Order: sequence, then C-alpha cells, then structure tokens
Amino acid sequence: EAQVTQNPRYLITVTGKKLTVTCSQNMNHEYMSWYRQDPGLGLRQIYYSMNVEVTDKGDVPEGYKVSRKEKRNFPLILESPSPNQTSLYFCASSLYLGNTEAFFGQGTRLTVV
Amino acid sequence: DQQVKQNSPSLSVQEGRISILNCDYTNSMFDYFLWYKKYPAEGPTFLISISSIKDKNEDGRFTVFLNKSAKHLSLHIVPSQPGDSAVYFCAASATGNQFYFGTGTSLTVIP
Repeated sequence: EAQVTQNPRYLITVTGKKLTVTCSQNMNHEYMSWYRQDPGLGLRQIYYSMNVEVTDKGDVPEGYKVSRKEKRNFPLILESPSPNQTSLYFCASSLYLGNTEAFFGQGTRLTVV
Repeated sequence: DQQVKQNSPSLSVQEGRISILNCDYTNSMFDYFLWYKKYPAEGPTFLISISSIKDKNEDGRFTVFLNKSAKHLSLHIVPSQPGDSAVYFCAASATGNQFYFGTGTSLTVIP
C-alpha cells in the first residue's frame, strides 16, 4: 500500500530536549516536505527536499533541521524545542515538485512544555 | 502574507443539498490548484485538482471551478453526504514551486 508513515503520532516533551520526528515513504517519490498546522494559519511549509542530499527552507524553518540521506526518509529534527513549536506536523511526498498531488502522513501532535 | 485564503472557517449544509467551498488567491503566477480533505486524526488526502488552462474540472460529486480573472476557485459537492463532513483545504502553486495552503473550511453535513 502506498503510504507516508510518520512517527511518533503523539509526543510531549520538555523545552530544550532534542527530538526527531521520522517520515518514510514507499512510493519512490523525489519530493518530500514538512508542514505544520496551527489554528487560523493553515498548513505552512517548514522544509522541503527535491531529492537525496537536496534540501531547502520553506516559509517557517526557524528552529528546525532536516536531512535526506535516503530517498525514502526525511526526518524532522528539533535541536532545542520551544513551546512555540507546539503544533501538528505533517510530512508529505510527491512524485516531483509541481503540478501533482501530494501524499500526506497521518500527522504528529507535538507538545513542548 | 497569506497567498491563499479561505474566508469561511466553517459551513453547515443539509444532506442532499449542495456544498460550496470558496478559496481566493493573490499570486497571479499560480497555475495549479488542488483541494484536499482532512478528517480528524488523519493527514490531508487529495480530492481534486485543476490547471489554470481550464475553468472547470469534475470528478463524480465533486466539481472545482476556477475564475482566473477574479483569482477565485470554488469546490462544489453535489449531493452532500454526512461522510463529506471534514476540513477542506485549497492549495495553489506556480509551476515548479511549492504549494501554498489556505486555512481550511470545516464542512458539516447534517443528516
């Protein structure tokens, strides 16, 4: 089954404690991205990757890091989480960047206290 | 600056009637538009798309209309069903660039 898998689904952590949210896709997609969803703000792109070892900032990259060492995986790293990073996070992949649909993971609900 | 706007946070419709969800955009370079549907505790799923060379695209009960001069698109669901109750996001992109999403409209279809 074609899917994007995120882990964990729910996470509560403390300020400053490094964490990683994993994302994996099984569709051999080139393009992957991370979004955060906040009330009244919709989905905002954090980082994206056009292919292995090619990443770039989206609209809200501050406080986040990513890596793309393999085509299927695109982890999101919060080196020193802060309460303003409490949000619902989605990983997405698509065949390429452009006129094509994206497939989303089920989301990770992160709370930073 | 929000390039894609959904001005109605919520919409309630009777089962069997038409649901109309609206979306406005500001960037005239956008040439591809999509609608996604999101249920609670799930990720968004693709619903329907339209290219800027068209003004209408239909898929079963779902039709998307694009008015480029007004920078406006709408999603029509006919007839609406209780299972259509979800949050709907519109998204837009310019060729080769990232997608920008609206803030979402929560649709409730009342049985």
